[in-house]
Amino acid sequence: QQQVKQSPQSLIVQKGGISIINCAYENTAFDYFPWYQQFPGKGPALLIAIRPDVSEKKEGRFTISFNKSAKQFSLHIMDSQPGDSATYFCAATYSGTYKYIFGTGTRLKVLA
Amino acid sequence: EPEVTQTPSHQVTQMGQEVILRCVPISNHLYFYWYRQILGQKVEFLVSFYNNEISEKSEIFDDQFSVERPDGSNFTLKIRSTKLEDSAMYFCATHGTVGYEQYFGPGTRLTVT
Repeated sequence: QQQVKQSPQSLIVQKGGISIINCAYENTAFDYFPWYQQFPGKGPALLIAIRPDVSEKKEGRFTISFNKSAKQFSLHIMDSQPGDSATYFCAATYSGTYKYIFGTGTRLKVLA
Repeated sequence: EPEVTQTPSHQVTQMGQEVILRCVPISNHLYFYWYRQILGQKVEFLVSFYNNEISEKSEIFDDQFSVERPDGSNFTLKIRSTKLEDSAMYFCATHGTVGYEQYFGPGTRLTVT
């Protein structure tokens, strides 16, 4: 019940295309869902996050879509660029713990 | 922009040796975490620390692991007797009193031979 399932494991997108990464969870107590971007040899960097009281959040080219009833959320990267090539992790947490439960990661490659 | 720093960036040690990984959190942050990431796998929670005590720990965080904040600025993870399977990237993360955003350090790569 504490798992966060992430798909796909890897993704190849052409420059300018849309990258979509999906996550699903079971624990309805989760109330904060961040996405992290990780470059090789670096620590995860917070990209964007959402709470379940909104269905969508947009920051620049990055959008989170959230479906509370389906217990799913996704990251959309619009106009994907080669510099976006990285591993993306979704995560979830809730008040009372604050520890993050991470998804398994998606390795994104954007072709020039 | 304030950031979390970690030292060393890479530590090589022999099986059975003790290692101490160090983290300097963002200055006004009060919640501290250690996570680890085995090569190619997901980031896993180890322990959370608040108000000078452990808030929560995972089943990975057994008696070989300990954490402390020795001087009010550093936050350390000690592994008493390292095993081969402890080889991983160890990340320190911190967050403040408002919100859930955790900020990760660059990590320490621990290699146990």
